[in-house]
Amino acid sequence: AQSVTQLGSHVSVSEGALVLLRCNYSSSVPPYLFWYVQYPNQGLQLLLKYTTGATLVKGINGFEAEFKKSETSFHLTKPSAHMSDAAEYFCAVSESNTGFQKLVFGTGTRLLVSP
Amino acid sequence: DAGVTQSPTHLIKTRGQQVTLRCSPKSGHDTVSWYQQALGQGPQFIFQYYEEEERQRGNFPDRFSGHQFPNYSSELNVNALLLGDSALYLCASSLLSGAGTDTQYFGPGTRLTVL
Repeated sequence: AQSVTQLGSHVSVSEGALVLLRCNYSSSVPPYLFWYVQYPNQGLQLLLKYTTGATLVKGINGFEAEFKKSETSFHLTKPSAHMSDAAEYFCAVSESNTGFQKLVFGTGTRLLVSP
Repeated sequence: DAGVTQSPTHLIKTRGQQVTLRCSPKSGHDTVSWYQQALGQGPQFIFQYYEEEERQRGNFPDRFSGHQFPNYSSELNVNALLLGDSALYLCASSLLSGAGTDTQYFGPGTRLTVL
């Protein structure tokens, strides 16, 4: 079964600093990987996804992630943090069974942005 | 274009009661998945419906059941509520591709509190 590990339950950065949120996956097949963001008292919003092709994936709000098979990683980055980026971020891997897909999520990383 | 909608927003029940949560998928989507998100945790997959049938199920007891209607909307039912059922229940919809690369779009969730 696939699994996801997110290192660091909390990450603190200053406004304007680089954001790096770590995600490592375990999968017996080529993985399909997702990053979602959750703002307080809201559902999950898709930031970006990797299926096949280019390993550097660009998403919304200036975020991007790079799929590194050799490191089994899919870290999320943003060059310059904004106060509005403060939220919970979830990495997920798709587990497909006979064509039906379910998402297996990590435990999440809360991003704190200080002025 | 309306996204995924869920009702109610909040719900308070007592132990032993039964609850029904509702979800309307994004327009054009045919697959509905339900997830449970306990406080401070990542979402956990409950089950998935396609063509009015349960297609996949996570590690949840039979107290959790569901239904999908011909218009693709869905219900999640939980019987004999336990304190541990308190969580945010998320509905996600997608268009089945069969390739495992589907993007799941999430609703805002229903916050269930069991007293």
